Amino acid sequence: GENVEQHPSTLSVQEGDSAVIKCTYSDSASNYFPWYKQELGKRPQLIIDIRSNVGEKKDQRIAVTLNKTAKHFSLHITETQPEDSAVYFCAARRGNTPLVFGKGTRLSVIA
Amino acid sequence: DAGVIQSPRHEVTEMGQEVTLRCKPISGHDYLFWYRQTMMRGLELLIYFNNNVPIDDSGMPEDRFSAKMPNASFSTLKIQPSEPRDSAVYFCASSPGGNTIYFGEGSWLTVV
Repeated sequence: GENVEQHPSTLSVQEGDSAVIKCTYSDSASNYFPWYKQELGKRPQLIIDIRSNVGEKKDQRIAVTLNKTAKHFSLHITETQPEDSAVYFCAARRGNTPLVFGKGTRLSVIA
Repeated sequence: DAGVIQSPRHEVTEMGQEVTLRCKPISGHDYLFWYRQTMMRGLELLIYFNNNVPIDDSGMPEDRFSAKMPNASFSTLKIQPSEPRDSAVYFCASSPGGNTIYFGEGSWLTVV
């Protein structure tokens, strides 16, 4: 089955700097890659996703890139703000199989 | 839409007691998932249903865990008997069959 590895497990950045979180997946047939943000004590919420026929997608300060050959995808957050502090999860799935999540990255944005 | 609704939000119970967690998916969603979140293991899929039918329960850790979905608007996850290592946040999520899944607020379980 699918296996998703996520790095780093923790990340601290200064406010205004960029943050990058990376994930690798094992199933070359996976075709959907979402990113979820989980604030303390809250539910994970979808912030951006990308499908295998697209190499990059942007939404304001966040972007996701996908390298199908290398089987890795990354989340980029620019101009970080304190409210970006949260745990971020990447995930992957093939067809209608359930999402498989990475272990999460705890991002701290220091004001 | 109120989103995925879970109850209870918090439960503290003694070891050996039965625990029942409840979930109401978003109306019209065909898929329902139960995930468990711990610091050590992250988000683990326990079981998922499609049109009320259990499709894959290979993530259910032991026979002490069981899940049902008697109709399209209700599901339960039961632990009997509960053990301290079951302490975790249990998330229910639903999906309309596309790629996005929507999580409930979670049930925070502590077994003492």
